Amino acid sequence: SQQGEEDPQALSIQEGENATMNCSYKTSINNLQWYRQNSGRGLVHLILIRSNEREKHSGRLRVTLDTSKKSSSLLITASRAADTASYFCATDDTGFQKLVFGTGTRLLVSP
Amino acid sequence: GAVVSQHPSWVICKSGTSVKIECRSLDFQATTMFWYRQFPKQSLMLMATSNEGSKATYEQGVEKDKFLINHASLTLSTLTVTSAHPEDSSFYICSANGGGSGYEQYFGPGTRLTVT
Repeated sequence: SQQGEEDPQALSIQEGENATMNCSYKTSINNLQWYRQNSGRGLVHLILIRSNEREKHSGRLRVTLDTSKKSSSLLITASRAADTASYFCATDDTGFQKLVFGTGTRLLVSP
Repeated sequence: GAVVSQHPSWVICKSGTSVKIECRSLDFQATTMFWYRQFPKQSLMLMATSNEGSKATYEQGVEKDKFLINHASLTLSTLTVTSAHPEDSSFYICSANGGGSGYEQYFGPGTRLTVT
């Protein structure tokens, strides 16, 4: 399987703290995306970073990409209880939008 | 933004019966849709790529006769789980590319299938 690995598998923090999740993948990619999934629901697209980009910001989200290490990180700053969810990285290595998802990080933000 | 719906949101069926799940793009046309399966507390696994007007492309290990996919229009793809068994119980999610130059996929809310 080409599925990526994410760590930590679970993360528990307090509101206001920052949360960092890491994703490693196995093949060359066209882009890497991060998604959020609330329990029992579909996925929400958060941010996409292309293979020629190193860092991208969107609101409280910061994503980095290191293609030499085949890894990416997602930083959520000043977390809120509403950020509680599972976060998945997904890579597109074919250019045909066939996404390969990482194992996911379950984030719990306590008030 | 692009919205994808799924119907039903949950379904319970008996072993041996077939279940159809619909995936619709509500405000855009999708020539390609994707079907994923997700077990509890696990990641999503791509099952197949649904192409409008042509046969679906299945991932290795996915039985095409078990999971029938029909993409009859630019806004609708269906997944039929045939002769369902308890091990088919899972969360099924579809997605569609929003078109244009973007690579973001828009996901449906998922369908929880329980086979008794």
